[in-house]
Amino acid sequence: QKEVEQDPGPLSVPEGAIVSLNCTYSNSAFQYFMWYRQYSRKGPELLMYTYSSGNKEDGRFTAQVDKSSKYISLFIRDSQPSDSATYLCAMSAGAAGNKLTFGGGTRVLVKP
Amino acid sequence: GAVVSQHPSWVICKSGTSVKIECRSLDFQATTMFWYRQFPKQSLMLMATSNEGSKATYEQGVEKDKFLINHASLTLSTLTVTSAHPEDSSFYICSASGRAVSHEQYFGPGTRLTVT
Repeated sequence: QKEVEQDPGPLSVPEGAIVSLNCTYSNSAFQYFMWYRQYSRKGPELLMYTYSSGNKEDGRFTAQVDKSSKYISLFIRDSQPSDSATYLCAMSAGAAGNKLTFGGGTRVLVKP
Repeated sequence: GAVVSQHPSWVICKSGTSVKIECRSLDFQATTMFWYRQFPKQSLMLMATSNEGSKATYEQGVEKDKFLINHASLTLSTLTVTSAHPEDSSFYICSASGRAVSHEQYFGPGTRLTVT
């Protein structure tokens, strides 16, 4: 079993809909949780960063962490075709300098 | 802020030759840099972690003599693929973290290596 599980998709939604992404994990030592967006043949771009449990909002993006359930989510409101990409969750047990464990990524397609 | 660059973005080399990929943090000091490889439609696989001035720590299964990593300064790390073979063809991505960017890792745009 992988340490971090993420549905590979593809997840297809109409423009304007809410995109809901999630990851589950097994390592209770994870404290830092991140979401990255990756366009084809590009490096991942950091979208959201959360420490421990709780919610964080940034513009159209909301990240949630539930450590008791070992479950994290990313919501994208008012989705746009430009949001079509692969979304990767990543997590770490420590601070900067600690390696990340990635989910497999979910491919999202927002149709105009 | 927190920009990481890679050079080259794309390289083709012949089997048996060596290729060097550079990773630079442009606006912060990267105390730690990471090297990943990614195959099509797969997630990133960590190859090694390097701290400035120290030897790199390689993940299990990664040949340290084949993938040479140097992190000589706080803004530059290099990955050299020695005696490249077609199976080394992949997308190589670096990331960096440092004191100024707190706990996050910032990724470079990646380098596509094709070995013929």
